[in-house]
Amino acid sequence: NAGVTQTPKFQVLKTGQSMTLQCAQDMNHEYMSWYRQDPGMGLRLIHYSVGAGITDQGEVPNGYNVSRSTTEDFPLRLLSAAPSQTSVYFCASSILGTPNTEAFFGQGTRLTVV
Amino acid sequence: DAKTTQPPSMDCAEGRAANLPCNHSTISGNEYVYWYRQIHSQGPQYIIHGLKNNETNEMASLIITEDRKSSTLILPHATLRDTAVYYCIVRVRGGGSNYKLTFGKGTLLTVNP
Repeated sequence: NAGVTQTPKFQVLKTGQSMTLQCAQDMNHEYMSWYRQDPGMGLRLIHYSVGAGITDQGEVPNGYNVSRSTTEDFPLRLLSAAPSQTSVYFCASSILGTPNTEAFFGQGTRLTVV
Repeated sequence: DAKTTQPPSMDCAEGRAANLPCNHSTISGNEYVYWYRQIHSQGPQYIIHGLKNNETNEMASLIITEDRKSSTLILPHATLRDTAVYYCIVRVRGGGSNYKLTFGKGTLLTVNP
């Protein structure tokens, strides 16, 4: 199994450009989420989804959109990139409910906005 | 979710046990203690979790105090590859919108040769 796959691994954007960070999982997990990690800080939750067609905001949602049309994919969209969005982005997935709620993370997308 | 307090950094000699503490004095009865680690530039990796009993798996042991206000993650024989940031997270176990992993700054464990 590939687990959680994020693409691209690296990206440089100009201020105002738009782009989509891709996240796909092949474990049939209901729950998927996006985090950002800034230097010296822990991960902060951007958006999450508990299943296809259902999304909700995390603690830092501004400037980001998400959709969940399939169980496998959970793309993160930046409509108008800003330098403050320079960060490393991690996607995670897990099953819901007991007994196993271990989260699996992708390897991250390093985004620089200039 | 209850807040956690971890030391910002710790050192350990290779081959020795690494004991990483975590305080969670406001933990409630239905909250679990989870541990994740993040090796430099990689995505976080699940290590172990527990409610009130001590737990052990192939990676580590988790010791939770009887009052559940603190816990210790034990790596029995630390190797250089265990150098990472270790996150202690307390949350309600289960699904739905309650499933949010809230990461603090964690403990940077450096294993020295």
